[in-house]
Amino acid sequence: LAKTTQPISMDSYEGQEVNITCSHNNIATNDYITWYQQFPSQGPRFIIQGYKTKVTNEVASLFIPADRKSSTLSLPRVSLSDTAVYYCLVGLMISGYNKLIFGAGTRLAVHP
Amino acid sequence: DVKVTQSSRYLVKRTGEKVFLECVQDMDHENMFWYRQDPGLGLRLIYFSYDVKMKEKGDIPEGYSVSREKKERFSLILESASTNQTSMYLCASRTGPQETQYFGPGTRLLVL
Repeated sequence: LAKTTQPISMDSYEGQEVNITCSHNNIATNDYITWYQQFPSQGPRFIIQGYKTKVTNEVASLFIPADRKSSTLSLPRVSLSDTAVYYCLVGLMISGYNKLIFGAGTRLAVHP
Repeated sequence: DVKVTQSSRYLVKRTGEKVFLECVQDMDHENMFWYRQDPGLGLRLIYFSYDVKMKEKGDIPEGYSVSREKKERFSLILESASTNQTSMYLCASRTGPQETQYFGPGTRLLVL
């Protein structure tokens, strides 16, 4: 079954770099990869989006290899406020149709 | 800033009741989406709409219907609520394909 795969949880400490990888073997040719952050009792919030290679904004970087079968969200120096669940969203080719699929989410805990 | 609002943050209904969840966006977005979010399952797409009066089934449309009479408003309807529809419901909108989805705060529905 085509799907996206992320680690269920990760732990880190303040000031460290955190890398979260999402695997998406059946990514659709023309679709972007998007990452969201979600805090409890809130809707997901956009972090970063990319198509290939590397994208960087003020909060994160996104690394996408040439085959686009995975992507890595990089948070450069995490703080306690980065404790949240992180989701990747990609378009996957499933039974000939392009379907938007969220990963199950990675729960990041940042410790003092 | 894009604003997506949902009519209720918390809702308690009884089995068999008809339930309406309303979503409004103020950025003239073409596309709107309804997801449900359950622990361990991430976000799953129920229905989406590419334009006014247009709707498409997502991954889990059974037990739900939708209405989009105006561009800014997308309603999710549970014709006869059941306990397995207890969940967090999230609405999202975007300008078009490949664009970022913006999410509302969510409605936590409890069906007794």
